[in-house]
Amino acid sequence: EAGVAQSPRYKIIEKRQSVAFWCNPISGHATLYWYQQILGQGPKLLIQFQNNGVVDDSQLPKDRFSAERLKGVDSTLKIQPAKLEDSAVYLCASSLVALGEQYFGPGTRLTVT
Amino acid sequence: GESVGLHLPTLSVQEGDNSIINCAYSNSASDYFIWYKQESGKGPQFIIDIRSNMDKRQGQRVTVLLNKTVKHLSLQIAATQPGDSAVYFCAEIVQGAQKLVFGQGTRLTINP
Repeated sequence: EAGVAQSPRYKIIEKRQSVAFWCNPISGHATLYWYQQILGQGPKLLIQFQNNGVVDDSQLPKDRFSAERLKGVDSTLKIQPAKLEDSAVYLCASSLVALGEQYFGPGTRLTVT
Repeated sequence: GESVGLHLPTLSVQEGDNSIINCAYSNSASDYFIWYKQESGKGPQFIIDIRSNMDKRQGQRVTVLLNKTVKHLSLQIAATQPGDSAVYFCAEIVQGAQKLVFGQGTRLTINP
């Protein structure tokens, strides 16, 4: 089966600019996750969707980050405006059910200059 | 609170030797643990998991040991191969928290 797809793979922007990431989960997976992975650290959950509803967004910096999963399939994560400390890899993962085995995409490496 | 940490950030082993990667956790309410492997430029990949009612679980060339008394788990990789080079993360799910919390990671390097 096809894995989790993410685009773009790399993005370089200047601080205060906006950026959006796209994720296409594995077909049939109800749960979708966005993680932020800063260099040298483990992934940190930003937001979790169950179908098109938000289950957990407690660690999402809501003043600048937003995410949506309108039709319960694809998802986008947006940062507006970006800060230097947002430089990280943004990973999307999906699972068949909540807390089921998570399958990760390759990530989008964001560099904010 | 939720925290999972690793004893060593790097580990170097000879090809063919066994590798042991350690992880300490602080939350006694954690009831499910997973080891992930992350190769350069890729997302984490599930290796093996263990529930808190178990103390050992074996997979193909991998074994996870859980010691709840000292809040410690380890990943043992038998006959380490060059393809095992990666960063290994332990992650936990705290009962009731409903989310995965990752530790910092250990980079495993295989010497020929």
